[in-house]
Amino acid sequence: RKEVEQDPGPFNVPEGATVAFNCTYSNSASQSFFWYRQDCRKEPKLLMSVYSSGNEDGRFTAQLNRASQYISLLIRDSKLSDSATYLCVVNRSGNQFYFGTGTSLTVIP
Amino acid sequence: ETGVTQTPRHLVMGMTNKKSLKCEQHLGHNAMYWYKQSAKKPLELMFVYNFKEQTENNSVPSRFSPECPNSSHLFLHLHTLQPEDSALYLCASSQGGLWDIQYFGAGTRLSVL
Repeated sequence: RKEVEQDPGPFNVPEGATVAFNCTYSNSASQSFFWYRQDCRKEPKLLMSVYSSGNEDGRFTAQLNRASQYISLLIRDSKLSDSATYLCVVNRSGNQFYFGTGTSLTVIP
Repeated sequence: ETGVTQTPRHLVMGMTNKKSLKCEQHLGHNAMYWYKQSAKKPLELMFVYNFKEQTENNSVPSRFSPECPNSSHLFLHLHTLQPEDSALYLCASSQGGLWDIQYFGAGTRLSVL
């Protein structure tokens, strides 16, 4: 079983739409969680960390459900500039980071 | 500019060649990483160095040989690669710790002929 699983999409949504991505992880000992964003032919960059209490940054909201071992990312009022691949990342301990395959989002005018 | 610089950006090599990838970070971080990113696959962690000491080697074939002379520089030496090794190789650095944020370089796109 993969450490981290994501629906690869693609998700094609109109501007202004709300879109949600989910990610599941297999190891219950995982301790920290992140969403990274990767633009086409660019390197991944941190979008937000995902804390147990959930966190919000502008139009982006991340939630963690430890009991069900999943992480979610909600994007409200989608912009064209949100088009990218969103990577779910889990850290089990120390420097052991596990990445999902990514979910592709295209926001359409 | 993320503070992590990788060279070269593109590399084409034959299966009998020897080449090296270089990564340099200007962030004062203690940990450095090599990842492989292939199409339709998740980033695969290859090697991790903490304070110049290798702490992870995820069953990477010996034709990939890392070197970390100091906490700012990381190399990946390549020798007798296979066509399936063609991929984007990403270097990252981080300060260390559970809620570590990794900063990635732009990557080296490698093609093995």
